[in-house]
Formats: sequence, C-alpha cells, structure tokens
Amino acid sequence: ETGVTQTPRHLVMGMTNKKSLKCEQHLGHNAMYWYKQSAKKPLELMFVYNFKEQTENNSVPSRFSPECPNSSHLFLHLHTLQPEDSALYLCASSQVPPSGQVVYEQYFGPGTRLTVT
Amino acid sequence: AQKVTQAQTEISVVEKEDVTLDCVYETRDTTYYLFWYKQPPSGELVFLIRRNSFDEQNEISGRYSWNFQKSTSSFNFTITASQVVDSAVYFCALSESPKGGSEKLVFGKGTKLTVNP
Repeated sequence: ETGVTQTPRHLVMGMTNKKSLKCEQHLGHNAMYWYKQSAKKPLELMFVYNFKEQTENNSVPSRFSPECPNSSHLFLHLHTLQPEDSALYLCASSQVPPSGQVVYEQYFGPGTRLTVT
Repeated sequence: AQKVTQAQTEISVVEKEDVTLDCVYETRDTTYYLFWYKQPPSGELVFLIRRNSFDEQNEISGRYSWNFQKSTSSFNFTITASQVVDSAVYFCALSESPKGGSEKLVFGKGTKLTVNP
C-alpha cells in the first residue's frame, strides 16, 4: 500500500449504531487529520494529531471520537450519529518539522462516504 | 482570521481552451502557505502545489501554471489547453505559520471545472 488508505470506502449506519473509520498512512509522516466534507460546505477540519497527541478539536460533537494509537494509524469512532452527519470523511497526513516553523502539504486518502439513516 | 474565497462556483469549458481558477485569501500573518488541490469524482484530494508567502515567483508545471500576487492577495491557477481529465473540483487552501501549535489548512469552497469534449 502506498499513500494514505481509508476503510471502509462506503458506510451506511443507523442512528443507534456504533462504527469506526480507519485511516493508515504509509508516508512516514508524524501528523494526521480528520476532515468532514458535506455538500455545499467547505472542507471542515475536525481533529489533528501531532506526534500521536491530539492538538486540535475543532468543536466537534462528542458522538465523534478520534483515536491515534501510533503515528501511522488514525481512527474515528462513531456512535449515535444524526442524519446531518452524512458526509465524506477524509483523512490526511503531513510531516510537521520539530521547529514547527514550516508548513508542508497534506496528503489525503480517498475518503469514507458515510450515510446515516 | 484566515479566509479563502473562490468566487467561481462552476466553470465549463470546451477541450483545448485555457481556463483560470481564481483564489483570493485573507490573513494577518506575514508568513503563510498557499496550496491547490484537485478532487476528481473519485473523491481523493490530490496535492498540486504549495507556495510560501516569501516566494512570489510564478510556477509552471506542464499545462498548469500559478500566479501568486501578494499585492492583490491572489493565487490563481491556470490550465492551458484543458483536457477532459482535468474535470474535477479544485480547492485553494491557506495555512498560517504555526505558532507552537498545529498547522491548520483553511479551504475555499472549491471550483467545479467541467471540460467538455
């Protein structure tokens, strides 16, 4: 595998289900991100992990719970979602230098298309 | 606060035409980074270019070129001799230099380009 992979690619879940989205990056990066892309809205940053530590939680409801066990894997645990949570969920990774003074590009996975019924 | 505006929601051209996608940004920082991404129908965001605020040289890569003008806070993207495979949604994004925290990419709403044969 190369780049950033995401599974599953498509997910349909009821509002009472619990599911998890998985992301894996094969680029040796040290930062990973979750984004939400809904129709008619710009890409929204949800969570950021630098060196496995969560450094950003962009006012995301608690029904979304991220987990980053190591710098290559990122999960998004979902429970009791609402229909308005239906969207494309994109994972990305990048290299953040220790000094933090330079911003490098993020590389994205193909996304998980989530439908909440 | 950072902001990216892509005023063109949709553009439709005929193959071999040149097309320019506009991007205007707002930031109070003197150090920042600008990006362009392409999102084909498959959903994955593909990185195209990264430019820092101190480098105003225009860049050309094959049929793609970018015009960065700090005086007008614009970072426009031109595709020369467009092809059907260029059909996608194109996003412009901005990241201010991180200040001890995590980097954040702020995206525009995207421009959907359709190239007709």
